[in-house]
Amino acid sequence: GDSVTQMEGPVTLSEEAFLTINCTYTATGYPSLFWYVQYPGEGLQLLLKATKADDKGSNKGFEATYRKETTSFHLEKGSVQVSDSAVYFCALYSGNTPLVFGKGTRLSVIA
Amino acid sequence: SAVISQKPSRDICQRGTSLTIQCQVDSQVTMMFWYRQQPGQSLTLIATANQGSEATYESGFVIDKFPISRPNLTFSTLTVSNMSPEDSSIYLCSLGQRFNTEAFFGQGTRLTVV
Repeated sequence: GDSVTQMEGPVTLSEEAFLTINCTYTATGYPSLFWYVQYPGEGLQLLLKATKADDKGSNKGFEATYRKETTSFHLEKGSVQVSDSAVYFCALYSGNTPLVFGKGTRLSVIA
Repeated sequence: SAVISQKPSRDICQRGTSLTIQCQVDSQVTMMFWYRQQPGQSLTLIATANQGSEATYESGFVIDKFPISRPNLTFSTLTVSNMSPEDSSIYLCSLGQRFNTEAFFGQGTRLTVV
């Protein structure tokens, strides 16, 4: 079945450091890929998405490129801020089942 | 976009009791989903709730433990029955899962069973 594998956390970075959170997937067909973010005490909200190969999703300085050849959708940000501290979830939707989530990666950014 | 109102936002319950979580949407939707997020874990789908039919449960979840109602296209409830401390989790409702649009989530119900 469909699955998402996400790098284990927690990840702790200093402010202005470069961030990469790895995400790879297994799916039938051509899924849409998403990154969701969960800030402390809040619900999930969409951070960015890509719906076909080579698409790049971007939002709030975060980027991720849909790589079909490596079945990956790594999340990157050039310079993190304290306010980026949250849990990040990679997810896919293939139409066969509801959204499938990775286990989440907790990011802590320290000043 | 959709506005989802989920309540209660949090509760502390005694073991052996039941809690009903409500999810109200500001537009009509066919399918709604209920997820559980155990501490430090990802989201696990409990069931899919379609209006006018029985909910479809995922492996490991049963109707007796998690009865779901879907009386109309804007409302659903999830009941956590005969609770134990292992049921302590965040429960979320969701809708709008499509290929090229975002899914929407309620703010979640943080349940602690003591």
